[in-house]
Amino acid sequence: DVKVTQSSRYLVKRTGEKVFLECVQDMDHENMFWYRQDPGLGLRLIYFSYDVKMKEKGDIPEGYSVSREKKERFSLILESASTNQTSMYLCASSSVAGVTDTQYFGPGTRLTVL
Amino acid sequence: AQKITQTQPGMFVQEKEAVTLDCTYDTSDQSYGLFWYKQPSSGEMIFLIYQGSYDEQNATEGRYSLNFQKARKSANLVISASQLGDSAMYFCAMRDLGNTPLVFGKGTRLSVIA
Repeated sequence: DVKVTQSSRYLVKRTGEKVFLECVQDMDHENMFWYRQDPGLGLRLIYFSYDVKMKEKGDIPEGYSVSREKKERFSLILESASTNQTSMYLCASSSVAGVTDTQYFGPGTRLTVL
Repeated sequence: AQKITQTQPGMFVQEKEAVTLDCTYDTSDQSYGLFWYKQPSSGEMIFLIYQGSYDEQNATEGRYSLNFQKARKSANLVISASQLGDSAMYFCAMRDLGNTPLVFGKGTRLSVIA
């Protein structure tokens, strides 16, 4: 079975803290993605990666960075958390198969920044 | 640029009845894929069904079917015999280039009433 795991389901941090959100997949997928989800806005892409040590900016990369040192792991980093980064964060992965390929999601992390 | 529109923020349906969730898309490409995901209150995104632009038959998966009207650029999800467990957010998504991230609509919240 396809499996994407995220390090925390719920996280509470303070403004200015450095925050790490970890995502691990066990399907040997090349592609990994980070989205944030806010009510009324749907899912918005933050960053994605097609291979180890490679990263591409999505639609809303400001205030975030990512790291992919191993194929199975993709980390989202909030360098200095702010209250407007309170959101649901979803990680996904997919193989390289073109338009037909399904993205598989982790359970999500609900981050609250106080 | 590709775009997904879901015009129904929320819908109600009686248990055991069928319901249609609307999705329209915009792309200039001939080759693209359309996806539907379900997100229960737990937060995890669950893949439901896929339709390719060149598929001549509408996709079906159990109680889910996709009413694909290419000329109208619509890909509506039909859920037959609704169950209480179908209450969730539903997202339409598409990809119109090989190996790129999915683009999502803003979602429709479906509530099934006993």
